[in-house]
Amino acid sequence: QQQVKQSPQSLIVQKGGISIINCAYENTAFDYFPWYQQFPGKGPALLIAIRPDVSEKKEGRFTISFNKSAKQFSLHIMDSQPGDSATYFCAAESRGNTPLVFGKGTRLSVIA
Amino acid sequence: ETGVTQSPTHLIKTRGQQVTLRCSSQSGHNTVSWYQQALGQGPQFIFQYYREEENGRGNFPPRFSGLQFPNYSSELNVNALELDDSALYLCASSSKIAGGRYYNEQFFGPGTRLTVL
Repeated sequence: QQQVKQSPQSLIVQKGGISIINCAYENTAFDYFPWYQQFPGKGPALLIAIRPDVSEKKEGRFTISFNKSAKQFSLHIMDSQPGDSATYFCAAESRGNTPLVFGKGTRLSVIA
Repeated sequence: ETGVTQSPTHLIKTRGQQVTLRCSSQSGHNTVSWYQQALGQGPQFIFQYYREEENGRGNFPPRFSGLQFPNYSSELNVNALELDDSALYLCASSSKIAGGRYYNEQFFGPGTRLTVL
């Protein structure tokens, strides 16, 4: 049973465009939703995270939108740059109760 | 860099062998979680160690075992290796306070790439 479903599997965006990655979850006990960025040969690095008491969180060019009733959340990368080319993972957990559950990842390529 | 280190970087083993992977947590962190990341997949939780005891386990067989030492570093041991064990093994360190609540985020190391032939 996949608790966090992520789409699309891969994404190609023009430089300066907006990259959008979507995730849906099933467990209503989840209360923490991070996004990780992973470059080849590296471990995942925390990019931005949100709790379900807010509908949006923005940090620089990265924004998480959260829809609690639909059990969905998404990552928006504004003004996408070639350096953003990486694999992005959404994840979810019930802090202190369940481990991090990851989506399958989205491979983003930003082309000039 | 997160301050979480793992060794070795790469490892090649044959089926049936045993392997030990090591992780040094970030300074000040008391919790280590291990994840398996198969090619093209997201990390999957193996188990977590807190105060030298296993504190949660994912859907992995008993041949996956671990240890945490007094300095909070950790080992992952896998016995009777199978071809499907080929993956990137990640450790993540964090801090927990009494009651299980996290004090901070999980910080991942660079991983150990295990190949089983």
